Amino acid sequence: NAGVTQTPKFQVLKTGQSMTLQCAQDMNHNSMYWYRQDPGMGLRLIYYSASEGTTDKGEVPNGYNVSRLNKREFSLRLESAAPSQTSVYFCASKRNSNQPQHFGDGTRLSIL
Amino acid sequence: DQQVKQNSPSLSVQEGRISILNCDYTNSMFDYFLWYKKYPAEGPTFLISISSIKDKNEDGRFTVFLNKSAKHLSLHIVPSQPGDSAVYFCAANGHGSSNTGKLIFGQGTTLQVKP
Repeated sequence: NAGVTQTPKFQVLKTGQSMTLQCAQDMNHNSMYWYRQDPGMGLRLIYYSASEGTTDKGEVPNGYNVSRLNKREFSLRLESAAPSQTSVYFCASKRNSNQPQHFGDGTRLSIL
Repeated sequence: DQQVKQNSPSLSVQEGRISILNCDYTNSMFDYFLWYKKYPAEGPTFLISISSIKDKNEDGRFTVFLNKSAKHLSLHIVPSQPGDSAVYFCAANGHGSSNTGKLIFGQGTTLQVKP
């Protein structure tokens, strides 16, 4: 049972390059989320998808786009990477309201 | 504006003793609170949760207490074990978002349990 799978696990980009982070869940969950974790700041929500076919902005959406490709997959795209986007990115999913989110193991992204 | 705060970046306790991790929040409309544990190079894993209609929830060695008047919650681990050494995040369900599950996280507290 894989749960939430994120690819790649590590990536180094140059400023201005584009990149898509992939996330897939096999738990038949309705909602999916993208967070970033920076030192001393906990996890901050970038975008989320409450259900297949919908996406909404979170706390820190600037510089990112998302696609809910189907119920299983939710991708995060950086169109023009900036050093401020160096972070660890986590994808999460959950079935419905007031149930815990399940997280992937993260993508560590460095932008030079 | 940090709506969920964990004011202690780190905590060290002896194996077998109680660990108490604290979390404060500012938004009185939060109605669901969770604790996550995170090991290095892994994603956060869900530990325990509490609804705002309760003041205590217990699961084995883990108990979460909620004091709504003080806007404070705490996680008690007893007895603490070396395997409990991790970063602990508290999180709250955002106002008006019970159906979307948007969580607001604290900064995390690193717990070290010494053998």
